[in-house]
Order: sequence, then structure tokens, then C-alpha cells
Amino acid sequence: GAVVSQHPSRVICKSGTSVKIECRSLDFQATTMFWYRQFPKQSLMLMATSNEGSKATYEQGVEKDKFLINHASLTLSTLTVTSAHPEDSSFYICSARDVVGMNTEAFFGQGTRLTVV
Amino acid sequence: AQSVTQLDSHVSVSEGTPVLLRCNYSSSYSPSLFWYVQHPNKGLQLLLKYTSAATLVKGINGFEAEFKKSETSFHLTKPSAHMSDAAEYFCVVTPREHNFNKFYFGSGTKLNVKP
Repeated sequence: GAVVSQHPSRVICKSGTSVKIECRSLDFQATTMFWYRQFPKQSLMLMATSNEGSKATYEQGVEKDKFLINHASLTLSTLTVTSAHPEDSSFYICSARDVVGMNTEAFFGQGTRLTVV
Repeated sequence: AQSVTQLDSHVSVSEGTPVLLRCNYSSSYSPSLFWYVQHPNKGLQLLLKYTSAATLVKGINGFEAEFKKSETSFHLTKPSAHMSDAAEYFCVVTPREHNFNKFYFGSGTKLNVKP
């Protein structure tokens, strides 16, 4: 299957700083990328959907200014957690798909464990 | 409105016995449905998908799922569990009304396989 690479896999940052997480589709062009957040022992919560070259669509309750998403190319999307606080500590996962439609699944990155101290 | 419900948060089976992980969905129109597996601190791997072709879908590692529209269910099964199947399983729906462009996850079922 297609490969989605997410970097870094783990990051620890100080409260008040910003952290950028990258999501790359390695062998296909991702017209759409998704960002999820997963709390311990819970399911994945969709944060936002981004299409290349346009603004991301955020789910209700997700702060746009807090979680900046950029999808500048067909193979790269970034999530920046701005002014991070301990409550932002979580497991963040990206996914990507190349063709929108019924038959296409999303391919997931390995996730990024963010710890804000 | 659309949602997906996984009825069991934990399932425990003995190695070699059948596995049943339940999933029910609600969607205004026929959605696409997926099962993904997540091993600890890892990303998600696709097990199988339903896209309105055959209602019985075969996936990887011996898993299969049957789409039952009348019951709005998409339960995941495997005839014989293996120790390596221990993981968390997510049922996912992509609604037609969002042009199949949004993935909604169930709450997950943690499968434990006893020796």
C-alpha cells in the first residue's frame, strides 16, 4: 500500500513554544490530508481536513489559530501547534488519500507523540 | 447525521477461537466503511473496506466483514484468533453526503488474545 511518513515520531517541548509536525505522502500525490488527535485509550478525533492549495476545514471545537495546518504541496502537509500547553499533549496522526471517492481508503502516518512540559 | 458505534470496548478470546468485533453505523445514505487496526504507539493499518460491491468483504490476515444494510452493521470476524491479532480495532465510516471525504472513527475495540 501507499506510504505516509510522519515526522517527528516523538517530541517534547516547553510550554509556550510552537511545534511543527510534518506529514508526507511518499509514493502518491495526496489531494486530501487529515489530521487527528488521539487521547490515551480513546479513539481518533478528526481535527481538520486539508486540500492542497486551499485552507483547511476545521471540525467544530478545534481552534484554527491554535492548530495551524498548511497543505502547500500534493505530498506535504504540516500541523503547527502554537503556544503549546500541557493539555495539548497527545498523539497526533495524519492520513492522506490520493483520489476522492468511494473506493479510496486513507493511509495513515505512524503518529507523533507530543509532550508539553 | 452520521456516526459509528463499536459496541464492545474490550473483547478477549483464546488463541484459535473465533473473533467477532461489532460495528453499527448510522448514515443518511450508503456510506463507505472500513476496518483499521492499530498496534500500540503505531499508526493505523487498513484491514478491509466496503464500497458497495460485494457485501462480504475479505481483508488481510484472515479477517472479513459483512455489510448488512437492514441491520446497519459491519461486524468484523476471523475464524481463528492468533496472538499477533492483539491490538485495537477501529470501524470507520465515510459518509456519502460529505462526498466520502470525511472519516469518522468508532470508539475502538481492544482485542486481547489469550494463549
